[in-house]
Amino acid sequence: AQSVAQPEDQVNVAEGNPLTVKCTYSVSGNPYLFWYVQYPNRGLQFLLKYITGDNLVKGSYGFEAEFNKSQTSFHLKKPSALVSDSALYFCAVRDLTGANNLFFGTGTRLTVIP
Amino acid sequence: NAGVTQTPKFRVLKTGQSMTLLCAQDMNHEYMYWYRQDPGMGLRLIHYSVGEGTTAKGEVPDGYNVSRLKKQNFLLGLESAAPSQTSVYFCAITPWQGSYGYTFGSGTRLTVV
Repeated sequence: AQSVAQPEDQVNVAEGNPLTVKCTYSVSGNPYLFWYVQYPNRGLQFLLKYITGDNLVKGSYGFEAEFNKSQTSFHLKKPSALVSDSALYFCAVRDLTGANNLFFGTGTRLTVIP
Repeated sequence: NAGVTQTPKFRVLKTGQSMTLLCAQDMNHEYMYWYRQDPGMGLRLIHYSVGEGTTAKGEVPDGYNVSRLKKQNFLLGLESAAPSQTSVYFCAITPWQGSYGYTFGSGTRLTVV
């Protein structure tokens, strides 16, 4: 069965510093991995995905993620954090059976401190 | 969010009352999903549909029913609401292609008192 884990409930980073939000996955077969962001009282917005190809995936708002097969990780990164990046971030893996649904991690709340 | 509309956006129910949440899409996608979001638990799949006239159970289906009579609409019903169903409900859609992304609605915040 597919699953993802986000080991940190909360990440704090100073504005201008690099940020990392961690995600590890467990799948049988090749993973389809996603990152979504949720701002207060809003739905989920797509940031980026890894399906195949280059291990470094670039996405929206300057975010990128590195797929590491040996460590089964898909960490989200940004070189320089903005206060407006403060939000709830979800890692997800796609179910490769008939349902094709996403399995979500428990989320990481990122706070960027001015 | 463009393409997926959820109604209502907010609702307060009394225990035992019933209601229906509507998810409507204009993107002609095959797959539709209902998730619930609870603090510290991420999003969990309630029910899903792989096409018009088909539905299936997800991870947490108890207390909910669904219908997809038209391709563009996916309804989530609560026959007898319970406080444990207090949550934020999200609808999501995706086409049949395996590498495509998912589009989410803006959510319905339901409180059962």
